[in-house]
Amino acid sequence: SQQGEEDPQALSIQEGENATMNCSYKTSINNLQWYRQNSGRGLVHLILIRSNEREKHSGRLRVTLDTSKKSSSLLITASRAADTASYFCATARSGGYNKLIFGAGTRLAVHP
Amino acid sequence: NAGVTQTPKFQVLKTGQSMTLQCAQDMNHNSMYWYRQDPGMGLRLIYYSASEGTTDKGEVPNGYNVSRLNKREFSLRLESAAPSQTSVYFCASNPSGRVTEAFFGQGTRLTVV
Repeated sequence: SQQGEEDPQALSIQEGENATMNCSYKTSINNLQWYRQNSGRGLVHLILIRSNEREKHSGRLRVTLDTSKKSSSLLITASRAADTASYFCATARSGGYNKLIFGAGTRLAVHP
Repeated sequence: NAGVTQTPKFQVLKTGQSMTLQCAQDMNHNSMYWYRQDPGMGLRLIYYSASEGTTDKGEVPNGYNVSRLNKREFSLRLESAAPSQTSVYFCASNPSGRVTEAFFGQGTRLTVV
């Protein structure tokens, strides 16, 4: 089964609102990453948070990590229609391997 | 820079046919990956190559083979395509040593009829 599981599966909001997506995982990790995918396109990296970090910001993005609960959240503040996309978390497991395991993603729709 | 380039972008195969998906990166990355993405789902790792000369199975390797031809190129081969392999295939790469962000190609949309 996949390492990361996002919820909700789909989220629909109005422009200007905040969007929160959650990710849970199962094993010890080196880091957790969030990616964005516009329809029919490749994934684009948004932010990486290491296992010894609890919170990280990048522009309108805020990511938190709780390793005791094996969970992370991605907050997009003041959302825009252009934020409409699918968002995926990916985990890099501890142990020196580089492979990234992705969750099923959250489909975000931001309405003007 | 081109980043990660995949060819072809679209392909239709008949059941039982074979084909090779090509991937090349120009970022001097050591690690490369092949994922598949089915409708409404996340990416599942097929194979990865941590460095030139090494390959390892991912979550869903059955029905696929890979070749790390050199540091730049990582190909995925379907020996006998099946309808269950209809999917969008993504190649990705990232530096090794420390796990950092992965860079993705634009995908190959494969339909097996």
